Amino acid sequence: EAQVTQNPRYLITVTGKKLTVTCSQNMNHEYMSWYRQDPGLGLRQIYYSMNVEVTDKGDVPEGYKVSRKEKRNFPLILESPSPNQTSLYFCASSLDPDRGPNYGYTFGSGTRLTVV
Amino acid sequence: GIQVEQSPPDLILQEGANSTLRCNFSDSVNNLQWFHQNPWGQLINLFYIPSGTKQNGRLSATTVATERYSLLYISSSQTTDSGVYFCAVASLLYTGRRALTFGSGTRLQVQP
Repeated sequence: EAQVTQNPRYLITVTGKKLTVTCSQNMNHEYMSWYRQDPGLGLRQIYYSMNVEVTDKGDVPEGYKVSRKEKRNFPLILESPSPNQTSLYFCASSLDPDRGPNYGYTFGSGTRLTVV
Repeated sequence: GIQVEQSPPDLILQEGANSTLRCNFSDSVNNLQWFHQNPWGQLINLFYIPSGTKQNGRLSATTVATERYSLLYISSSQTTDSGVYFCAVASLLYTGRRALTFGSGTRLQVQP
């Protein structure tokens, strides 16, 4: 089944303790991205990657890191989480629309992160 | 950047009723998708529809790109249709990073 898999689904952590949220897709998509969803602010892009070793900032990159060493994986790293990073996080992937038919973005099931 | 407006913001239906959700966007797009966010927070992709009409069971969608709007039709609604429906667009005119801009959503509640 074609899908984007995020782990964990739920995470409660303490301020300053480094964490990684994993994201993996099995559709051979070039493009991957991370969003966060907050009440009243909607979904905002954190980082994106056009392909392996190519990453760039989205709208709200502060406090986050990403890497794209393999095409299928795009982990989100919080080096020193703070309470304002409490949010619902989504990973998404899509084909590069410049290279052929595009069927839009596929989203993972979300990771609900609480930083206390 | 591109603006996305959804209406109505809230909708309460009785089971079996039909509804139409609207999405207006401010500029030409090369990607438009409708998503359903269920009560567990999952974003389910309903349609990829930058133009034209598509149908999937009780759901259908139409995008009139020249007039910059899209409609999502839900027929014979069921309680499992409850949740928030988002319209999201992307335009290479504004960004090469293909970020989706989401509307604020329509919160649908289907009552038994």
